[in-house]
Amino acid sequence: SAVISQKPSRDICQRGTSLTIQCQVDSQVTMMFWYRQQPGQSLTLIATANQGSEATYESGFVIDKFPISRPNLTFSTLTVSNMSPEDSSIYLCSVEDKRTPHGYTFGSGTRLTVV
Amino acid sequence: TQLLEQSPQFLSIQEGENLTVYCNSSSVFSSLQWYRQEPGEGPVLLVTVVTGGEVKKLKRLTFQFGDARKDSSLHITAAQPGDTGLYLCAGMDSSYKLIFGSGTRLLVRP
Repeated sequence: SAVISQKPSRDICQRGTSLTIQCQVDSQVTMMFWYRQQPGQSLTLIATANQGSEATYESGFVIDKFPISRPNLTFSTLTVSNMSPEDSSIYLCSVEDKRTPHGYTFGSGTRLTVV
Repeated sequence: TQLLEQSPQFLSIQEGENLTVYCNSSSVFSSLQWYRQEPGEGPVLLVTVVTGGEVKKLKRLTFQFGDARKDSSLHITAAQPGDTGLYLCAGMDSSYKLIFGSGTRLLVRP
């Protein structure tokens, strides 16, 4: 399966600041997905990032709050902007893994705490 | 909005016991996946089921996809402490996005 390197693994940030999360894949992929997992909850899709076009955001998520970059087929970043304690979550990137039928591979996540 | 409800939400059992986790929806999915997530890690894919009525076995884990492709179950035989984790079902919607279930947190006590 694809190997995803996600950084940072965790961070504690002051409210009002921004954090950029990086996701590097060991193979070229068309779509990359960003999820949020609030404490004790399941995963919620934030947006889908395609190379060469603007990300597509799900209901309840906006580009000003969660800007995404997708400069090439192996890399993407998600920025959590103007953070508040409510943004404390685990953020995960995911890719469709062509080597596994219907398979999706996830990064190990970024545990963000906003104080 | 498509929703996937999992039950039970939390399960604490003794090593050696059997258990079943359910994943239900009112929507039809083209495929359904089961993941296990351990603390500090991302979800890891266990299995994908595609055909209504399909049954797949992975060692002590048996996965079933409902005939109408709206529900699924995960049965674990003779649970072991290494099975402890968060189990998530996820359905693929018509836009090829994964919709995750509410999750079942399993604790297997030695």
